[in-house]
Amino acid sequence: DTGVSQDPRHKITKRGQNVTFRCDPISEHNRLYWYRQTLGQGPEFLTYFQNEAQLEKSRLLSDRFSAERPKGSFSTLEIQRTEQGDSAMYLCASSRDYPRADTQYFGPGTRLTVL
Amino acid sequence: AQKVTQAQTEISVVEKEDVTLDCVYETRDTTYYLFWYKQPPSGELVFLIRRNSFDEQNEISGRYSWNFQKSTSSFNFTITASQVVDSAVYFCALSEALTNAGKSTFGDGTTLTVKP
Repeated sequence: DTGVSQDPRHKITKRGQNVTFRCDPISEHNRLYWYRQTLGQGPEFLTYFQNEAQLEKSRLLSDRFSAERPKGSFSTLEIQRTEQGDSAMYLCASSRDYPRADTQYFGPGTRLTVL
Repeated sequence: AQKVTQAQTEISVVEKEDVTLDCVYETRDTTYYLFWYKQPPSGELVFLIRRNSFDEQNEISGRYSWNFQKSTSSFNFTITASQVVDSAVYFCALSEALTNAGKSTFGDGTTLTVKP
């Protein structure tokens, strides 16, 4: 049974560069979520997909952030023109779409450091 | 708006002590789900338990037990006879089934340190 995987696990970039992260959910899960976690805080919701449709985006997701799930399988999260404030752990989770708030299973995260 | 409060930022106990982690939540939905996750030093969030708002029965799983009380909007987590391997950050989370289906709101976590 393969869990949620994320790639890369660590990313160091310079301010102003673009970065892209990938998430592969558990295969039978229709829903895919992105969260951001900073030190000492709990994960904060960014966005989620039901199959390929992006159903909700948080106010935290500025226009520099974009997420896609083109075929309803893996997802990518891109951050353009990175800023130091983007440094965080980016977590991906997946779940079934029934019941409506099913358990979300998390990947290991991608730790982003913006210099 | 949904909110989860974990008032205890850090707890330190000696091995074999019992410890209770508190979680208080706010929601306007009548149907919601509560979760506990463990985040060990490796960083990956590990699912521990899920309860729905209609089931107030306490649950026990080995050394872990959970006390859900709708009257006080609390979902507390007790570890009996703690072990060093229990050292981690523990998060309580809430998902509203109707208003914000699927989206989870997390507390800021409680860091548990179990000393040998």
